[in-house]
Amino acid sequence: DAKTTQPPSMDCAEGRAANLPCNHSTISGNEYVYWYRQIHSQGPQYIIHGLKNNETNEMASLIITEDRKSSTLILPHATLRDTAVYYCISRGSGGYNKLIFGAGTRLAVHP
Amino acid sequence: GAGVSQSPSNKVTEKGKDVELRCDPISGHTALYWYRQRLGQGLEFLIYFQGNSAPDKSGLPSDRFSAERTGESVSTLTIQRTQQEDSAVYLCASSLYGAEAFFGQGTRLTVV
Repeated sequence: DAKTTQPPSMDCAEGRAANLPCNHSTISGNEYVYWYRQIHSQGPQYIIHGLKNNETNEMASLIITEDRKSSTLILPHATLRDTAVYYCISRGSGGYNKLIFGAGTRLAVHP
Repeated sequence: GAGVSQSPSNKVTEKGKDVELRCDPISGHTALYWYRQRLGQGLEFLIYFQGNSAPDKSGLPSDRFSAERTGESVSTLTIQRTQQEDSAVYLCASSLYGAEAFFGQGTRLTVV
């Protein structure tokens, strides 16, 4: 699975959009981009994933560049409860592909 | 149950003792993962079960660590002769074939 690179930390004001970048320049054609987050003292929580097209769900939007070498997770209206470590993971298609977590981005949402 | 269940939620053990940690995955989920998370650190992959395939044990840190899974049900992670550096939160996750993983709340292991 391709390696991903994320900034170690980011800040965001409450109510504003949080844009979390992820670099996956070595991603291969059949690898998906997954995003999880871990709120303090809890297990990680799935957010969203995508292959080529942009994706949106009730939690977030995922924007993947045309060359698929990077992506951005967007939390449209960040709240204090969105303070967490956000992990970007690339993972091959099919069932036999383990999830490997990197260091992630620690997002702090402040009033 | 509705989610991944892990037990116990907390375990304190003496150095040198063996411990067993249990994970009940979501019913029907074919894949099961174990991770270790030391205080202030990221998730460290330990082992991955997928259906009837041989498990991926590449993340187990030493031969003191082992895990079993019976079919597509319960999994047990065993740590023999525990050491203080084994103190961590042990997280289990399950998923359907190739889909997103759902995590339990973890077992906090403290070796004294």
